[in-house]
Amino acid sequence: DSGVTQTPKHLITATGQRVTLRCSPRSGDLSVYWYQQSLDQGLQFLIQYYNGEERAKGNILERFSAQQFPDLHSELNLSSLELGDSALYFCASSVGPGTGSYEQYFGPGTRLTVT
Amino acid sequence: KNEVEQSPQNLTAQEGEFITINCSYSVGISALHWLQQHPGGGIVSLFMLSSGKKKHGRLIATINIQEKHSSLHITASHPRDSAVYICAVGDDMRFGAGTRLTVKP
Repeated sequence: DSGVTQTPKHLITATGQRVTLRCSPRSGDLSVYWYQQSLDQGLQFLIQYYNGEERAKGNILERFSAQQFPDLHSELNLSSLELGDSALYFCASSVGPGTGSYEQYFGPGTRLTVT
Repeated sequence: KNEVEQSPQNLTAQEGEFITINCSYSVGISALHWLQQHPGGGIVSLFMLSSGKKKHGRLIATINIQEKHSSLHITASHPRDSAVYICAVGDDMRFGAGTRLTVKP
């Protein structure tokens, strides 16, 4: 158990809909990262927050947004969903701000299926 | 050419064999990560390294910054090591495609 929690575990929704994925980091970690893993693209870095502020941005679509709240939990919002958004979405956390410079602890993931 | 190349893509070994998985990258990095993804999908961080060598149990990771190359070694492999091993590099976490390892009893 990494100490990172993600909800929900599974989510099935229709095209055009909007969903919110939630992540709680390990106790003491200030950074939260979001990743997408699809069958055709593999793992991709989406976005990182550190202590409430956006720290780094990867291949995140404009239809997607995220935020980190004062209690350090984070939410990833996916809107106008398309079939191609079906994927595993992982959250990870680390203690420091450097995107690739700290060991990251991964949550169990949320499996999103868009029908 | 991908910025992060892993080899081999697939690897089948007999229990007890010594395993090597390679990762080559073309970008400048501050650190390289080795991750293990279990058949159920969960991801575990194995190593983060920026120079030299690290060891944890039967796992050893090495990195050569000048040659932009890292290796993950598993000594005395076991069926429970069967998983996908992924390397990630750079400040924006660029991932290799992964190496699927199957260890047969």
